[in-house]
Amino acid sequence: QFRLQESGPGLVTPSETLTLTCTISGGPIGDNYWNWIRQPPGKGLEWLGFVYRGATIYSPSLQSRVTISVDASKNQFYLHLTSVTAADTAVYYCARESAFTSWGQGILVTVSS
Amino acid sequence: EPVLTQSPGTLSLSPGERATLSCRASQSVPGNFLAWYQQTPGEAPRLLIYAASVRATGTPDRFSGSGSGTDFTLTISSLEPEDFAVYYCQQYGYSSFTFGPGTKVDIK
Repeated sequence: QFRLQESGPGLVTPSETLTLTCTISGGPIGDNYWNWIRQPPGKGLEWLGFVYRGATIYSPSLQSRVTISVDASKNQFYLHLTSVTAADTAVYYCARESAFTSWGQGILVTVSS
Repeated sequence: EPVLTQSPGTLSLSPGERATLSCRASQSVPGNFLAWYQQTPGEAPRLLIYAASVRATGTPDRFSGSGSGTDFTLTISSLEPEDFAVYYCQQYGYSSFTFGPGTKVDIK
């Protein structure tokens, strides 16, 4: 049974880079899709991208600002989102597989000076 | 990748009633790779249905999914109190995944 846990700063300054970590327990990273998804307060879900066997696919709307990477030795994967604005304020989730079978609890990230 | 549209935006029903939620894609979803999620306030979404009609582990059998191509439906045969929530569809048939905007099922 995979468990996922997001970690990172709760507050980020506008124009800076947001970096989040998803730590996986209960199994190896292995051959799975590892996704980042976000949800602005009171709004719907937005898929940001995934990493699968070292290859990445990103949402076209965020492709220029998003990078997802993996450190298999630590059983972690990461989200980097550059040039953040208030519009990037959201709960950020990490999730496993292409139909998202396992989710982290989410982390609220606020972009504010 | 296709745009997903969900209807209605809000569905007001009473416990015991049947709920029918629609998800329509702007392009056919390959392999019927369409999933449904339930989200209650303050919680992460939970996978209910994948591949359009397959219940995920732990999904009660009052939930059923159907459809193919561009039109998909989630049916809750008899609403339980814990079913009042927001439901999202998601396609994963294209390399770039997308969610629908959600349907809120609230108590009438």
